[in-house]
Amino acid sequence: KAGVTQTPRYLIKTRGQQVTLSCSPISGHRSVSWYQQTPGQGLQFLFEYFSETQRNKGNFPGRFSGRQFSNSRSEMNVSTLELGDSALYLCASSTRDSLTDTQYFGPGTRLTVL
Amino acid sequence: AQKITQTQPGMFVQEKEAVTLDCTYDTSDQSYGLFWYKQPSSGEMIFLIYQGSYDEQNATEGRYSLNFQKARKSANLVISASQLGDSAMYFCAMRGLGSNYKLTFGKGTLLTVNP
Repeated sequence: KAGVTQTPRYLIKTRGQQVTLSCSPISGHRSVSWYQQTPGQGLQFLFEYFSETQRNKGNFPGRFSGRQFSNSRSEMNVSTLELGDSALYLCASSTRDSLTDTQYFGPGTRLTVL
Repeated sequence: AQKITQTQPGMFVQEKEAVTLDCTYDTSDQSYGLFWYKQPSSGEMIFLIYQGSYDEQNATEGRYSLNFQKARKSANLVISASQLGDSAMYFCAMRGLGSNYKLTFGKGTLLTVNP
């Protein structure tokens, strides 16, 4: 099975712009979660989508949003970019069918905001 | 709220020796899962091992084992016969059910394997 894929792998944007990141889960996985990783804050949960519905949301401002399509692919959008949004954005997919299911991560998108 | 604590920012180990990475957790949930992930410098998070809160036996996956002590709320990762390729950041994480179906990570331990 192919793993989780994320595009693009690298992005450079300027303050005030918006950006869209994409995540394709492992085939058969209907849950996609997004995480932000920064040196200062570590790994933080952004949100989770399952069957096109947002199930959980982390403590991030409304500039961070996401969606999931019927094929389980997910996108996250960050509007009005700030310098502090520079981070590695990771998505993870799972079956979400039990406590024991494992979340598998993609390679990440490294966003730099200038 | 769930919390993971990893108290070792960095660890060094000689090749072929065993090493233990510490992890303690805090949660009020009865059902939860504990995970260890490895993150090489490339950035990808690689799943290593899982332990469920109701599992009575410690989990093992090849050279990885999880020393689970529920009463102490600890879930230490043991890597046996370290290899140079084991050099990476290691994260302990936990996840619950329902609204807690999200990974809460510790700050990580940077493991360096010396030849």
